[in-house]
Amino acid sequence: DAMVIQNPRYQVTQFGKPVTLSCSQTLNHNVMYWYQQKSSQAPKLLFHYYDKDFNNEADTPDNFQSRRPNTSFCFLDIRSPGLGDAAMYLCATSRGGGGAAEQFFGPGTRLTVL
Amino acid sequence: QQPVQSPQAVILREGEDAVINCSSSKALYSVHWYRQKHGEAPVFLMILLKGGEQKGHDKISASFNEKKQQSSLYLTASQLSYSGTYFCGTEIAGTYKYIFGTGTRLKVLA
Repeated sequence: DAMVIQNPRYQVTQFGKPVTLSCSQTLNHNVMYWYQQKSSQAPKLLFHYYDKDFNNEADTPDNFQSRRPNTSFCFLDIRSPGLGDAAMYLCATSRGGGGAAEQFFGPGTRLTVL
Repeated sequence: QQPVQSPQAVILREGEDAVINCSSSKALYSVHWYRQKHGEAPVFLMILLKGGEQKGHDKISASFNEKKQQSSLYLTASQLSYSGTYFCGTEIAGTYKYIFGTGTRLKVLA
């Protein structure tokens, strides 16, 4: 089945120790998103790509970087995680289309920072 | 600007109905609805693309009033499986930037 896969599902890191979260998709969608979701809050957009065109939200901390080496894969790098970065990180894809297309979500990676 | 949802939370008995509202201070060109269960990813429910459009499947339906910049989600004869947090969402026209509403926590009791 076509799907969005995120690895790992759970990640524990130490304060300041870099982590990389990965997302892959078999849907061949042009658009990929990274969201951060904290407890009892809505998902908050960090980055999105349309193909290789990268868009960084104005309030995304510099600590967060992203790479999309090809259509199928996307990575989220947190260079120096702080306690406030503990959250669920969601990857989603969409075929694009001016708001007419649904988003398909991966299962998420829950990040714990010790 | 994040769309605002109301109510923030609602508790229902099985079989009761509920309405969740989503209101935006900016023009909405489309509205998406998702349901998220605790610890899981959001799951797509439906998209409304045109003002006045109404959609539904099973006992969940939605309407979109483009002029009022509002959308409503209607859950009728609620089931235990309807419990979760409901989010409206929209794409800012021409940007692929996506923003979710504030969310509504819904709990259905037996």
